[in-house]
Amino acid sequence: KQEVTQIPAALSVPEGENLVLNCSFTDSAIYNLQWFRQDPGKGLTSLLLIQSSQREQTSGRLNASLDKSSGRSTLYIAASQPGDSATYLCAVSRNFNKFYFGSGTKLNVKP
Amino acid sequence: NAGVTQTPKFQVLKTGQSMTLQCAQDMNHNSMYWYRQDPGMGLRLIYYSASEGTTDKGEVPNGYNVSRLNKREFSLRLESAAPSQTSVYFCASSEVLAARNTDTQYFGPGTRLTVL
Repeated sequence: KQEVTQIPAALSVPEGENLVLNCSFTDSAIYNLQWFRQDPGKGLTSLLLIQSSQREQTSGRLNASLDKSSGRSTLYIAASQPGDSATYLCAVSRNFNKFYFGSGTKLNVKP
Repeated sequence: NAGVTQTPKFQVLKTGQSMTLQCAQDMNHNSMYWYRQDPGMGLRLIYYSASEGTTDKGEVPNGYNVSRLNKREFSLRLESAAPSQTSVYFCASSEVLAARNTDTQYFGPGTRLTVL
């Protein structure tokens, strides 16, 4: 069974810092990996999707990398802002329609 | 374009009661999903439907039933609610394109269910 772990569970940084969130998974036979953002009391919003054949994806201040062989992904957030405060979750799919989520990293960016 | 909608937003049940959670999407997606989210445990897949007329079990299907009513709607039913089913339930949809290996999921706002 695929296990997805996110460390740290919570992170607090001052505004303007660059930061890295980590995601690890036990089974490297994945189709893709997705990073989501969840605001309190809300649903999930997809940030980036990395296909298994890709090494990284970028969107604005966000950069996600994937190393399948080591079972790891990182989400890099540049020049963090208070509006980035949310919980960030990663999810891997082993086949179409089967997704496994980590428990998330709760990020607080202090003004 | 509302995306994925869920009703109700909140619900309190007594042990043994039944209820149906409703989900609808207007993006013409083939696949739909039901997840539950518990504190510290992330999201776990309950059931999914790869296409209209088909449903399959996910990681935690016990105590639940689903119906894919048409391409737009996917409902989740609790026949006899238990306190262990207290959770936040999310519906999601995606367009699974095998040739492109892309299956970005779009989530609804969630239903917060408490079973007393």
